[in-house]
Amino acid sequence: AQSVSQHNHHVILSEAASLELGCNYSYGGTVNLFWYVQYPGQHLQLLLKYFSGDPLVKGIKGFEAEFIKSKFSFNLRKPSVQWSDTAEYFCAVNARTYKYIFGTGTRLKVLA
Amino acid sequence: KAGVTQTPRYLIKTRGQQVTLSCSPISGHRSVSWYQQTPGQGLQFLFEYFSETQRNKGNFPGRFSGRQFSNSRSEMNVSTLELGDSALYLCASSRQGTGDTQYFGPGTRLTVL
Repeated sequence: AQSVSQHNHHVILSEAASLELGCNYSYGGTVNLFWYVQYPGQHLQLLLKYFSGDPLVKGIKGFEAEFIKSKFSFNLRKPSVQWSDTAEYFCAVNARTYKYIFGTGTRLKVLA
Repeated sequence: KAGVTQTPRYLIKTRGQQVTLSCSPISGHRSVSWYQQTPGQGLQFLFEYFSETQRNKGNFPGRFSGRQFSNSRSEMNVSTLELGDSALYLCASSRQGTGDTQYFGPGTRLTVL
């Protein structure tokens, strides 16, 4: 069965620190990959997505993610976090079916 | 363009009751998916509808059911509520549902007492 693992459940960083959140999935075929973010009191919104092509994708608010097919990974990065990045981040996989599999989420807290 | 709307936003029920949640997708979106979000579990897929047909279903008991209408609006029903059903229920819409970006609504917070 397909699954998505987010290894970091809680991350605390100071402003200006670099961020990398891990995401690994289990599926051998072609996948579409997503990172969603849920800010406090707001609904889930798309940060970035990978469908094909350049494995380094850039999203909103300075976020980027790299798809490494050999490692089944799609890690999220940001060179310098801000207090406003405090949120919960979800990785999701769609294996060209009608079902999206989400990870359990990573709660990021950025200290001002 | 209006986003995904869900009603009601908050609901309190007691064990044994049933509940119906509603979702209106973005105009032009024909796929609607439902998720249950609980702390520590992330988003658990319930089911997906496209053109009034359920195309995929998650691993939830038969107490959880849904339907989609010809205007793409969708409802989700939970019968015989249990305490463990307390969660945020999210609806997401997309154009085709296969690999598209999903757009989420604000969710319905269900509390079962």
